[in-house]
Amino acid sequence: SQQGEEDPQALSIQEGENATMNCSYKTSINNLQWYRQNSGRGLVHLILIRSNEREKHSGRLRVTLDTSKKSSSLLITASRAADTASYFCATEAGSYQLTFGKGTKLSVIP
Amino acid sequence: DAGVIQSPRHEVTEMGQEVTLRCKPISGHNSLFWYRQTMMRGLELLIYFNNNVPIDDSGMPEDRFSAKMPNASFSTLKIQPSEPRDSAVYFCASSLSGGAEETQYFGPGTRLLVL
Repeated sequence: SQQGEEDPQALSIQEGENATMNCSYKTSINNLQWYRQNSGRGLVHLILIRSNEREKHSGRLRVTLDTSKKSSSLLITASRAADTASYFCATEAGSYQLTFGKGTKLSVIP
Repeated sequence: DAGVIQSPRHEVTEMGQEVTLRCKPISGHNSLFWYRQTMMRGLELLIYFNNNVPIDDSGMPEDRFSAKMPNASFSTLKIQPSEPRDSAVYFCASSLSGGAEETQYFGPGTRLLVL
């Protein structure tokens, strides 16, 4: 069953703008991870945030986690055409298993 | 490292035929995952192996699906007989030991079309 649900389903922005994607989930988690999938490719891990963390940065990526609202956001600053991809959140709730959302499709227009 | 290797990359078959998908995990990784991705259901975990042993196959849709991992460097996912609803992209992923905070490394996927 789907744990994470990303919002919006699709997002189109101009190069240089910031892109924000949201993820909501239903049950308590140990950590939440964001993955990127380029068209026709496998998923690539971007960043992991633990349940006791509120914010994490990695390069142009900023992830926040609000466990009281069961939600997370991924911000990509100064977007580039190469950021065009689908972005997935995945929750981990105490075992090896990651439960993925259906993703946000981001298009960055040069 | 070559990353996770999957073959074939594309497979077109007719309903009723047997389909075998192959995966070579990253060397040194002890955990292997098979996922299926469709537009309707997103990415679903089918089966998880740890040290070549199937730990959780609760995601395997039905008896038509079977998976094996005869050694640490090879796994197969077999569908017999295949049906049109099996059309999807099948991903294999591996991680060091399947721990909670480990990154899963995905292969490029096998795009399966069952006619």
